[in-house]
Amino acid sequence: DAKTTQPTSMDCAEGRAANLPCNHSTISGNEYVYWYRQIHSQGPQYIIHGLKNNETNEMASLIITEDRKSSTLILPHATLRDTAVYYCIVRDYYNYGQNFVFGPGTRLSVLP
Amino acid sequence: DADVTQTPRNRITKTGKRIMLECSQTKGHDRMYWYRQDPGLGLRLIYYSFDVKDINKGEISDGYSVSRQAQAKFSLSLESAIPNQTALYFCATSDKGSLSYEQYFGPGTRLTVT
Repeated sequence: DAKTTQPTSMDCAEGRAANLPCNHSTISGNEYVYWYRQIHSQGPQYIIHGLKNNETNEMASLIITEDRKSSTLILPHATLRDTAVYYCIVRDYYNYGQNFVFGPGTRLSVLP
Repeated sequence: DADVTQTPRNRITKTGKRIMLECSQTKGHDRMYWYRQDPGLGLRLIYYSFDVKDINKGEISDGYSVSRQAQAKFSLSLESAIPNQTALYFCATSDKGSLSYEQYFGPGTRLTVT
């Protein structure tokens, strides 16, 4: 069963913020939220992860709701190079045997 | 230079042939993974290895086998290729000691079985 649901596709104007939502209503206490992206059949690329606090790095920000049932990945100033499929994944941080499950993701198109 | 390399990058083979896809990494990671991706779908885990002596089946291991020849090398074999194994194959690595469990992916191998 899928642990996350994401919109199939989204558009964003170049230079604007891209906000990609993810629902994970059955997330458990030990599960972290991870985001990866895949640019045109290249290998997926790690973006960011978090548990309950908002996180920011050089690529993006991750906003997790207080109840942790949903999150939003924010690309603050989207460029054409950010056009990609974005995957939201939940994973049990303490289950060393658990692997990442990549669903179909959200296809983000950044438009000039 | 790429940290995770895959060979070949593209391969066309015939039904029934044996084929091996190879993955090498210079990141010094203990853990290695093989995924396949079908058009329009996410990645599905085939096999994973947490160290040289630890190999585990993933979600879709039937029809595949793997070999962890060394910490840096993890090969995927299709003993008798069939057309529905046509897909994009990715190798990935992760660091056992990393708190983030971030996975690093290779560039992929595009396999076509005719």
